[in-house]
Amino acid sequence: DAKTTQPNSMESNEEEPVHLPCNHSTISGTDYIHWYRQLPSQGPEYVIHGLTSNVNNRMASLAIAEDRKSSTLILHRATLRDAAVYYCILRDTGGGADGLTFGKGTHLIIQP
Amino acid sequence: EPEVTQTPSHQVTQMGQEVILRCVPISNHLYFYWYRQILGQKVEFLVSFYNNEISEKSEIFDDQFSVERPDGSNFTLKIRSTKLEDSAMYFCASTYRGANSIYPYEQYFGPGTRLTVT
Repeated sequence: DAKTTQPNSMESNEEEPVHLPCNHSTISGTDYIHWYRQLPSQGPEYVIHGLTSNVNNRMASLAIAEDRKSSTLILHRATLRDAAVYYCILRDTGGGADGLTFGKGTHLIIQP
Repeated sequence: EPEVTQTPSHQVTQMGQEVILRCVPISNHLYFYWYRQILGQKVEFLVSFYNNEISEKSEIFDDQFSVERPDGSNFTLKIRSTKLEDSAMYFCASTYRGANSIYPYEQYFGPGTRLTVT
């Protein structure tokens, strides 16, 4: 899987939007951008994924740059429960069942 | 909503002993995985399993480790002779992926088993 770069940590206030960036300048045309998160003392949890277009689901939105070299996970209204480590992972279409390669992710701190 | 379950939640064992960690993946999923996370470190992929055989394994997954799907629901990870450095959280995951699909489906993780080797 191609490499991603994320800030080590970010802090936000409860009920405010959060924008979590991810750089993936070496992304290939067949790489999907996946986001997972890990709440304290829990297993990783799938959040969202996309290929080229922006995506929305009940948990978050994913904004993908036109050149696909970066993306942003958007939590529209953060709650204390969103405090977690967020991982941006590139997954090749052909390796769809491969194991995930986790980086250090971004530790999101939510202040009440 | 279906979920991956793991037992036990915490296992304490002595160095050199064998341990078996158990997982029940989501029922219609076809690919199964084990990951581990040493305290304070990254989640690391160990092995993937499909159609009753190992599909992929990492360098961590050496001869001390084995996986098995003993029946239609359970998926197990066995560590033959535990070492102190095997102490970690072990996560099981599963995904649906049709036999002819190349789409990278999301993986669903269990809550983990904390293994402590003393």
